[in-house]
Amino acid sequence: GEDVEQSLFLSVREGDSSVINCTYTDSSSTYLYWYKQEPGAGLQLLTYIFSNMDMKQDQRLTVLLNKKDKHLSLRIADTQTGDSAIYFCAESGGSYIPTFGRGTSLIVHP
Amino acid sequence: DSGVTQTPKHLITATGQRVTLRCSPRSGDLSVYWYQQSLDQGLQFLIQYYNGEERAKGNILERFSAQQFPDLHSELNLSSLELGDSALYFCASSPTEETQYFGPGTRLLVL
Repeated sequence: GEDVEQSLFLSVREGDSSVINCTYTDSSSTYLYWYKQEPGAGLQLLTYIFSNMDMKQDQRLTVLLNKKDKHLSLRIADTQTGDSAIYFCAESGGSYIPTFGRGTSLIVHP
Repeated sequence: DSGVTQTPKHLITATGQRVTLRCSPRSGDLSVYWYQQSLDQGLQFLIQYYNGEERAKGNILERFSAQQFPDLHSELNLSSLELGDSALYFCASSPTEETQYFGPGTRLLVL
């Protein structure tokens, strides 16, 4: 079945860029997503990319998609302490039901 | 604030019991999704309703059921609860197929 994998932790210094990586197995993925979950809260949709795109930029966020390698990344420029959260990668196919990775805990330290 | 509301926020109950979780979607959203988030399974899709009808089913146990009412709110019923059902249960709603907005979740603890 479909699988989405991401590393569990990432630690960065405030002001640096963060890059969170994700790989997926479903070659028929239509949309790929990044969600953010802060402690005690639900998932917040940060951005998503259609599978025929290879890049999307939205303010401090840049999403890169390598469809050949089934690799998705999220770059956060000028990372702030408020960016500390769990980031989930997800992909959806024809049903539009996302399959989520386990999440990457981003820790931002001064 | 996503506009999706869920009640209750926390629920503590005993094994064998039955509980009902409630979700109100964002105004105008016809689709409602239910997810379970646990440490060992991660975030798992349970079921989707669209305008009152079941549209998609995921890893939902037979002890669990859901429905969506004419006013579009949805309820997830969990029965014969087991310790392993302790988890965060999220509801999401969507205006379009490719985007979902999540509620704050209901934290269920089965003792």
